[in-house]
Amino acid sequence: NAGVTQTPKFQVLKTGQSMTLQCAQDMNHEYMSWYRQDPGMGLRLIHYSVGAGITDQGEVPNGYNVSRSTTEDFPLRLLSAAPSQTSVYFCASSSLGGAGLDTEAFFGQGTRLTVV
Amino acid sequence: AQTVTQSQPEMSVQEAETVTLSCTYDTSESDYYLFWYKQPPSRQMILVIRQEAYKQQNATENRFSVNFQKAAKSFSLKISDSQLGDAAMYFCAYRSARGNKLVFGAGTILRVKS
Repeated sequence: NAGVTQTPKFQVLKTGQSMTLQCAQDMNHEYMSWYRQDPGMGLRLIHYSVGAGITDQGEVPNGYNVSRSTTEDFPLRLLSAAPSQTSVYFCASSSLGGAGLDTEAFFGQGTRLTVV
Repeated sequence: AQTVTQSQPEMSVQEAETVTLSCTYDTSESDYYLFWYKQPPSRQMILVIRQEAYKQQNATENRFSVNFQKAAKSFSLKISDSQLGDAAMYFCAYRSARGNKLVFGAGTILRVKS
């Protein structure tokens, strides 16, 4: 059972370059999300999706795009990388509106992105 | 908007001793979930324990237990018989019962001394 698969694990970009972080889950979760983790700030929500074809902005969406063409995949695109986007990125999935044990969010292994 | 505050950037504990990590949160909702996640050096986010706000009984998972004070909006994590493998960053997180968004605190680095 793969869970949430996130690639790549590490990436170095030059300012102005674009790239896509891939995220796939095999648990048939409707809800998927992207977070960035910065020192002293915890994890902050970038974008989220409640199902195929539906996406919305989180707390820090500027400079990022997402799409959700299938239930399984939720890629995050950096359009023109900036040094302020240097961070660790996590993809997560969970059952939509789940209760009890279904409240658990499952995370990918993270991507450490450095923009120089 | 909900906020989560972890006021201890770092904590240390001697192996086999007990340590408590603090977390406070702010919300106007009455139905929600609280979580503690562990992040070891591997970066993997691991759910340690969860608490449902409508349950008065504090959650426990083996050596991990919480002290949930709903009126005070406090949710501390107690780790008993600390082990070297407990060394990690610990995040407190909030989730409304009406949605899936997680709101995280800034994290507490736990160091375990042998």
